[in-house]
Amino acid sequence: GDSVTQMEGPVTLSEEAFLTINCTYTATGYPSLFWYVQYPGEGLQLLLKATKADDKGSNKGFEATYRKETTSFHLEKGSVQVSDSAVYFCALALTGGFKTIFGAGTRLFVKA
Amino acid sequence: NAGVTQTPKFQVLKTGQSMTLQCAQDMNHEYMSWYRQDPGMGLRLIHYSVGAGITDQGEVPNGYNVSRSTTEDFPLRLLSAAPSQTSVYFCASSYGGNQETQYFGPGTRLLVL
Repeated sequence: GDSVTQMEGPVTLSEEAFLTINCTYTATGYPSLFWYVQYPGEGLQLLLKATKADDKGSNKGFEATYRKETTSFHLEKGSVQVSDSAVYFCALALTGGFKTIFGAGTRLFVKA
Repeated sequence: NAGVTQTPKFQVLKTGQSMTLQCAQDMNHEYMSWYRQDPGMGLRLIHYSVGAGITDQGEVPNGYNVSRSTTEDFPLRLLSAAPSQTSVYFCASSYGGNQETQYFGPGTRLLVL
């Protein structure tokens, strides 16, 4: 079935370090891919998305590229800040469907 | 715009009690969903609605009921609470289908003793 797998956390980095959070997916069709972020005590909010192969989503210094050949959508940021500490969720949505499938989430801690 | 609102923020129930989690949105979104979030399992879809009067089951619907009498409101009912329903519940809405951005409420933390 359709699924999303993301790297286990927590990930602990120092401020200004480079961030990669891996995400791979299994889907029968051509999904849209999303990264959502959940700050402590809050609901999820969209960070970025990509709707077709080779699209790059970007927002707030974060980027992810839709790689159909490797079924991946890895999240990257060149220089993390303490304020980026949160849980990050990779998700997919199949075209014409009504459901979004979320990964288990990766918790990121950034130390000053 | 308040966005998506949920009440209560926190609730403690005893096994067998019933309750309703409230969800409302003021963005005129047709699509609304309920998820539960459990450690290490991400978000799992409980029920969803594609418009007033139309609901359907998600991945984990057992023990939960929903109805959608208006575009704005999408309450989730627990008929007879069980400890396995201890979780954080999120309501979400979107303008279109699942390809569109979902807007999440702040969540309801439920503890069933």
